Amino acid sequence: DTGVSQDPRHKITKRGQNVTFRCDPISEHNRLYWYRQTLGQGPEFLTYFQNEAQLEKSRLLSDRFSAERPKGSFSTLEIQRTEQGDSAMYLCASSGGGSRTYNEQFFGPGTRLTVL
Amino acid sequence: KNQVEQSPQSLIILEGKNCTLQCNYTVSPFSNLRWYKQDTGRGPVSLTIMTFSENTKSNGRYTATLDADTKQSSLHITASQLSDSASYICVVMGNYGGSQGNLIFGKGTKLSVKP
Repeated sequence: DTGVSQDPRHKITKRGQNVTFRCDPISEHNRLYWYRQTLGQGPEFLTYFQNEAQLEKSRLLSDRFSAERPKGSFSTLEIQRTEQGDSAMYLCASSGGGSRTYNEQFFGPGTRLTVL
Repeated sequence: KNQVEQSPQSLIILEGKNCTLQCNYTVSPFSNLRWYKQDTGRGPVSLTIMTFSENTKSNGRYTATLDADTKQSSLHITASQLSDSASYICVVMGNYGGSQGNLIFGKGTKLSVKP
């Protein structure tokens, strides 16, 4: 499977614990995005990488959230001291570089986080 | 404020019937508009992408239209199948000088196709 993969698919944790999610983008894609999606809502942008550089962060990304893409390939999203409001689906997407104006993003299956 | 509004919020149709989903947006400046299909518990999958110069685009039984003047788009599904049951999300990309956080997502229309 050469699509975007995410791990784990589901995570249940207790409030106050730290969690880390992983995203493996499509191999030739240099752009990687993280989104959060709550029930009945569309995805909300969190952050974006071009290669290993984190170029944009949303105001939704509080200081408890940190994302990395150390080698410009896979990325991790860590949430420290989880709160019940962090319960959501965390989606990763990737897109290719070049001159395409569409900048089409391909989404992974998501990691569903439940904070008890 | 840049917004994408979709209607209806949910829709139930019988297998084999056609349906049309609506999307209105206020995003400006506009770059392109996308329709995604999202199955429950899965990530969104792109159906169509249209720039302001395109007013219709088809992908199998899915046909999207775009009126950039009225800032409206529709997604028409022909001869619906049970597998079409999903949320359909309209996404508008603004043109903000290279910003990548400029995809504005609608809340989606939840379509249920019944046998």
